[in-house]
Amino acid sequence: NAGVTQTPKFQVLKTGQSMTLQCAQDMNHNSMYWYRQDPGMGLRLIYYSASEGTTDKGEVPNGYNVSRLNKREFSLRLESAAPSQTSVYFCASSDSYEQYFGPGTRLTVT
Amino acid sequence: LAKTTQPISMDSYEGQEVNITCSHNNIATNDYITWYQQFPSQGPRFIIQGYKTKVTNEVASLFIPADRKSSTLSLPRVSLSDTAVYYCLVGALLSGGYNKLIFGAGTRLAVHP
Repeated sequence: NAGVTQTPKFQVLKTGQSMTLQCAQDMNHNSMYWYRQDPGMGLRLIYYSASEGTTDKGEVPNGYNVSRLNKREFSLRLESAAPSQTSVYFCASSDSYEQYFGPGTRLTVT
Repeated sequence: LAKTTQPISMDSYEGQEVNITCSHNNIATNDYITWYQQFPSQGPRFIIQGYKTKVTNEVASLFIPADRKSSTLSLPRVSLSDTAVYYCLVGALLSGGYNKLIFGAGTRLAVHP
């Protein structure tokens, strides 16, 4: 039981490049989330998926797109990376009060 | 979602009890209170959740007064490994297990030898 897994762990992009962050959970949770965390700050919600087949914007969705591929997987895409998207990205899932977080992806955009 | 306010930082010593208070004046009837812990370079980890009165688990206690406008996380006999950021969150559990949470900056707890 791996919980929530994220790939890659680290990534460096040049401005304008695109990439997809992958997230998978093996707990059969309905809801999944993507957050970003900037240095010294709390987490900010980018997008969420309350259930398979649905996605909604969170607090900071601009510059991102998401896909809920199936119940297990929820991916986050940066179409044209910008330096302001340098951050640590966390995926989470839940089926009740508790959200389970992945280990994070550290993304640097130069 | 109700906004929460908590101290930016706290210091303590090993073996002491630590109480972190969070205010959430605009909490709604359906909202519950939850606390998360985050170590450097890791995702947040759920500690405890409650609606009113007192909740206790193997890690912490959560005290919520009758008006629910504040809550206090109590960590008994802290150790160096409790040094982390602690987040107080208020949210509602919606159908299907979806809960939308807004993280603030949290409280940085430093435990000293």
